Amino acid sequence: DVKVTQSSRYLVKRTGEKVFLECVQDMDHENMFWYRQDPGLGLRLIYFSYDVKMKEKGDIPEGYSVSREKKERFSLILESASTNQTSMYLCASSRPGTGISSGNTIYFGEGSWLTVV
Amino acid sequence: AQSVAQPEDQVNVAEGNPLTVKCTYSVSGNPYLFWYVQYPNRGLQFLLKYITGDNLVKGSYGFEAEFNKSQTSFHLKKPSALVSDSALYFCAVRPFGSGNTGKLIFGQGTTLQVKP
Repeated sequence: DVKVTQSSRYLVKRTGEKVFLECVQDMDHENMFWYRQDPGLGLRLIYFSYDVKMKEKGDIPEGYSVSREKKERFSLILESASTNQTSMYLCASSRPGTGISSGNTIYFGEGSWLTVV
Repeated sequence: AQSVAQPEDQVNVAEGNPLTVKCTYSVSGNPYLFWYVQYPNRGLQFLLKYITGDNLVKGSYGFEAEFNKSQTSFHLKKPSALVSDSALYFCAVRPFGSGNTGKLIFGQGTTLQVKP
């Protein structure tokens, strides 16, 4: 079975703190993603990684950075947390592919609820 | 701009009745289309996808979806709703030719409420 694990389900952090959200997948997928989910806005892509040490900005990268030192692990970093980063964060992974293989399914973790106070 | 629209914030149906959750898209080229379901405090679970071939796609838990290219729609359907189908449903699209970005464009989500 496909497994994407987000180690922290619920976090409460203070404004200005550095926050690490960790994600591990056991499917040997090349692609990994971090999305942010907010009511009425759906899911928005923060960052995408298609290989170790490789990353690309998504639609809303401001205030975030990422790290991918190993294939199975993709970390989202909030350098200085702010209250407008209170949200649910979803990690996901998929196989790579172009053309028809672009239809490869993306698999999601259970999500990390972050509250910044 | 490429986008996905789910025109209904909430859909209410009675248990045993058929259900439809609507999705329309606007992308360049041929799209790959997905439906995901999210139960409370959980991540997204893959339901089904359209890549090519038959316009009617069958997925998990008895759901199906119909791709309609002329109407640029991909509505999710189920012949007989269950109370346990109550959840948040997301439509998503990946434009053909988007390379290996893997990026999905998501709709804003539709809450399905099935009443006993």
